[in-house]
Amino acid sequence: AQSVTQPDIHITVSEGASLELRCNYSYGATPYLFWYVQSPGQGLQLLLKYFSGDTLVQGIKGFEAEFKRSQSSFNLRKPSVHWSDAAEYFCAVVDGGSNYKLTFGKGTLLTVNP
Amino acid sequence: NAGVMQNPRHLVRRRGQEARLRCSPMKGHSHVYWYRQLPEEGLKFMVYLQKENIIDESGMPKERFSAEFPKEGPSILRIQQVVRGDSAAYFCASSSTSGGAWEQYFGPGTRLTVT
Repeated sequence: AQSVTQPDIHITVSEGASLELRCNYSYGATPYLFWYVQSPGQGLQLLLKYFSGDTLVQGIKGFEAEFKRSQSSFNLRKPSVHWSDAAEYFCAVVDGGSNYKLTFGKGTLLTVNP
Repeated sequence: NAGVMQNPRHLVRRRGQEARLRCSPMKGHSHVYWYRQLPEEGLKFMVYLQKENIIDESGMPKERFSAEFPKEGPSILRIQQVVRGDSAAYFCASSSTSGGAWEQYFGPGTRLTVT
């Protein structure tokens, strides 16, 4: 079965600094990969997705992610973090037997210092 | 357009009681998915429903858990005779078609605590 690992439970960055959140997956074929964000009291919002093609994908809110097959990674990046980016971030992969069954990592909580 | 609504947001039940979690999909959406996030774990798929039909319940525990999505009203996730291990966050998502995961819109979740 596929799995997703987010090694960092909690990350703190200063506003304006760059950000990279790590995600590693275990999956036999080419995965469908996603990053979601959850702000306090809100539902999960899709930031970006990767299916195939260009390994660098752009998302909303200035985020991007790079798919690296050799490292089984799909890390999320942002060049300059804003205080409003403070939230929990989830990496996810779709089950190979369906296109709707998501498996999530445990999440990374991002704190942004002024 | 209101998003996916879940209520209650927090629910406390004693062991042996029943828990009912409700999910109102986005307007126009007829597909609902439930996920569970156990402490220290990622969200895991439980069940996929369309109106009046269970499409995929492969992630549902075999006992005590049931889900429905009636023709009218919200989808209900029901947990009978709750145990401490049921304490978790339960998320609902909805979509307008049976398309892929990227079309799912998530609610804020219900945090269930079993004492």
